[in-house]
Amino acid sequence: GQSLEQPSEVTAVEGAIVQINCTYQTSGFYGLSWYQQHDGGAPTFLSYNALDGLEETGRFSSFLSRSDSYGYLLLQELQMKDSASYFCAVRDNPGGYNKLIFGAGTRLAVHP
Amino acid sequence: NAGVTQTPKFQVLKTGQSMTLQCAQDMNHNSMYWYRQDPGMGLRLIYYSASEGTTDKGEVPNGYNVSRLNKREFSLRLESAAPSQTSVYFCASRESGLLTQYFGPGTRLTVL
Repeated sequence: GQSLEQPSEVTAVEGAIVQINCTYQTSGFYGLSWYQQHDGGAPTFLSYNALDGLEETGRFSSFLSRSDSYGYLLLQELQMKDSASYFCAVRDNPGGYNKLIFGAGTRLAVHP
Repeated sequence: NAGVTQTPKFQVLKTGQSMTLQCAQDMNHNSMYWYRQDPGMGLRLIYYSASEGTTDKGEVPNGYNVSRLNKREFSLRLESAAPSQTSVYFCASRESGLLTQYFGPGTRLTVL
């Protein structure tokens, strides 16, 4: 079967750094994406890793290790507005359809 | 530029009723997707359309049908609603050659 595992909840304080892990087991792997979703809102794209290593976009970074079937999202200088759910998603096919398999999501609560 | 729009925002149905969820995008994207999101779970792909005139089943297609009316519009139909179809439904679109999926605001459907 295909599965993505990520922690259900993470709590951190404002200004801190938090890491959200994602391990995957899929029939194919062509990239790992991260999406953010605020309560009642739509998912929005954060980052994408196709190759091993770290991708940095402002306060957010994403890392991938294909040999370990593992990736993480790193959020620095946490702000209250970062309280949201974060989903990892694997692209499991090389074709043009970009079908994604999503994890169940990690709910991040940022406290003052 | 409205992005991806969905109607209705909320809907309550009785078991056995039918309805169509509407989705439209004004970004000239070729690919469009329908997902459902249940509490504590990630997004699961119902159907997708790589281009106008083509549709394919995703992970959970049973009980649904879709129509890619034109490049802009991709509708999802429930022919005989069941309580198990109570969920939040998201439509998404993607530009060819890029990986980011853009999501609509969602339709919150309750089947009694």
